[in-house]
Amino acid sequence: GESVGLHLPTLSVQEGDNSIINCAYSNSASDYFIWYKQESGKGPQFIIDIRSNMDKRQGQRVTVLLNKTVKHLSLQIAATQPGDSAVYFCAENGGPNNAGNMLTFGGGTRLMVKP
Amino acid sequence: GAGVSQSPSNKVTEKGKDVELRCDPISGHTALYWYRQSLGQGLEFLIYFQGNSAPDKSGLPSDRFSAERTGGSVSTLTIQRTQQEDSAVYLCASSLVGGLLDQPQHFGDGTRLSIL
Repeated sequence: GESVGLHLPTLSVQEGDNSIINCAYSNSASDYFIWYKQESGKGPQFIIDIRSNMDKRQGQRVTVLLNKTVKHLSLQIAATQPGDSAVYFCAENGGPNNAGNMLTFGGGTRLMVKP
Repeated sequence: GAGVSQSPSNKVTEKGKDVELRCDPISGHTALYWYRQSLGQGLEFLIYFQGNSAPDKSGLPSDRFSAERTGGSVSTLTIQRTQQEDSAVYLCASSLVGGLLDQPQHFGDGTRLSIL
């Protein structure tokens, strides 16, 4: 099975509220994590990344939190907008059979923003 | 600047035919990756190229799948004798460098392959 998973397959939020998307990873050797946003018919779009020597990183309206103790990753989106509606994937650079040459992706969470 | 470009954007073909999918990475990116995404699923790694090194083919699902990267730039993914289970979106990504894998990968919009 995949080493990266997501707790909530679908998340519905009201426009203007904050969103939190969670991800669990199983490979303790992973030291680099990325969040991607994928809109319908498009490829995944890089949002933010974090290395294992950090526990928090902020971008524009987005924050990624990393808890290595429990192998948990989250993406926080502030003041969620309709344009944030998409599927969000977390990815790690470790995995069950990973020699360090590719990312292992979770199954994705669909974020739906209600106007 | 130009991102990762993939062609065709859509491909419909009959079972048993061969298909070729093309990827133009971002200029200057030395690492190139192919992934497959089935409907509503995450991404499945297929193959990875880094510079002139031998590619990592560990993700290719069968010997019907092969890929080349000419001149360290454009890559072609070939699927021979296509089967219905090959239907998926095939995504290409590139990154500045590979190896340590601490650089973000930038994706194209994929080729949606449908096998009839």
